[in-house]
Amino acid sequence: GAVVSQHPSRVICKSGTSVKIECRSLDFQATTMFWYRQFPKQSLMLMATSNEGSKATYEQGVEKDKFLINHASLTLSTLTVTSAHPEDSSFYICSARDLHGVEWEQYFGPGTRLTVT
Amino acid sequence: RKEVEQDPGPFNVPEGATVAFNCTYSNSASQSFFWYRQDCRKEPKLLMSVYSSGNEDGRFTAQLNRASQYISLLIRDSKLSDSATYLCVVNPRVYGNKLVFGAGTILRVKS
Repeated sequence: GAVVSQHPSRVICKSGTSVKIECRSLDFQATTMFWYRQFPKQSLMLMATSNEGSKATYEQGVEKDKFLINHASLTLSTLTVTSAHPEDSSFYICSARDLHGVEWEQYFGPGTRLTVT
Repeated sequence: RKEVEQDPGPFNVPEGATVAFNCTYSNSASQSFFWYRQDCRKEPKLLMSVYSSGNEDGRFTAQLNRASQYISLLIRDSKLSDSATYLCVVNPRVYGNKLVFGAGTILRVKS
């Protein structure tokens, strides 16, 4: 399957600081990438859809000014958590779609575990 | 009613057992269905897509029943390494191509 990388894999930051997470599609081009968040023992929740060359589409309840998304190229999307608070501590996972035959299949990056102290 | 529902388990089975998971979805217009596997503290990995005719990949068989709006995953000859959370994933197509995830079914295979 397609390969998606994510960096960093783990980050600890202090409350009030900002953290940038990168998501790259390594062997394919992705006009659309997705950012998810997963709290312990819960399912993935979609935060936003990142569109190359245009603004991201945020899900209801997700603050666009707090979670800044930039999709500057066909292989890179970034998520910046601004003014992080302890409640933002979570597992952030990006994904990208690749066409497999006639069906789009979605592949996930390895995730970034964010801890805000 | 949740869009995608799964029995959370855990399913505790011995090695070599056959185990089946079901998943129901609420949107009858859904077109694409997948099973993902997620290990503890890792990202989900695509296990298999689910086609209308059903499909098999080694020890894994997926079935789709559109009339009853459920998807199943059958694992034969369970291995210890099959222990994971299995996520049922649906593309309802009403939100573009956004996937909707079930909460997952935990499988524990024991020796």
